[in-house]
Amino acid sequence: AQTVTQSQPEMSVQEAETVTLSCTYDTSESDYYLFWYKQPPSRQMILVIRQEAYKQQNATENRFSVNFQKAAKSFSLKISDSQLGDAAMYFCASRGSQGNLIFGKGTKLSVKP
Amino acid sequence: GAVVSQHPSWVICKSGTSVKIECRSLDFQATTMFWYRQFPKQSLMLMATSNEGSKATYEQGVEKDKFLINHASLTLSTLTVTSAHPEDSSFYICSASHGQGFQPQHFGDGTRLSIL
Repeated sequence: AQTVTQSQPEMSVQEAETVTLSCTYDTSESDYYLFWYKQPPSRQMILVIRQEAYKQQNATENRFSVNFQKAAKSFSLKISDSQLGDAAMYFCASRGSQGNLIFGKGTKLSVKP
Repeated sequence: GAVVSQHPSWVICKSGTSVKIECRSLDFQATTMFWYRQFPKQSLMLMATSNEGSKATYEQGVEKDKFLINHASLTLSTLTVTSAHPEDSSFYICSASHGQGFQPQHFGDGTRLSIL
């Protein structure tokens, strides 16, 4: 079975600083996709960034980037120049065999002004 | 961008009643829709996968007679919580995608269900 593990229940970062959220996963698929989603208090699920496993280059989206270590099955999210609006729950996810998403338990990120 | 509308956003009802939640893809055809459940301060757990025109596939431990899913068209899936009880109170969220592969999932805004 596929699993996604986020070992940091909570993280805190100073505004304008950089923070890294950790995620490890386990899958038997040879080709797969990984995602980071943000869930603010409104509980909307917002896609932050995605990575195709066959691509060696790490995905980047403005202030968000990932460190994808395929051999280690690690997929961490780096947020640069943190902003107050970045405060939210962050979920790491992998794509399941039916196209569904398998989520980690989440990391609550607080941003201090 | 692709938009998924979920309705209602919040519902409060008495124990024993049935509640229907709608999930609509507004500007694309959703061949597959997924229903998730999220308890407070927890992650999203997949309840079922719904493909247009066929029976939904339920995850282990999810009662198919309790949570009725219908996906009658390429733009609409419904989740009906039958004879709801307080333990069914939760946040339900749907997502939709077009096709397989790297097609991203688009999430509705979720439904907060409270059973008194």
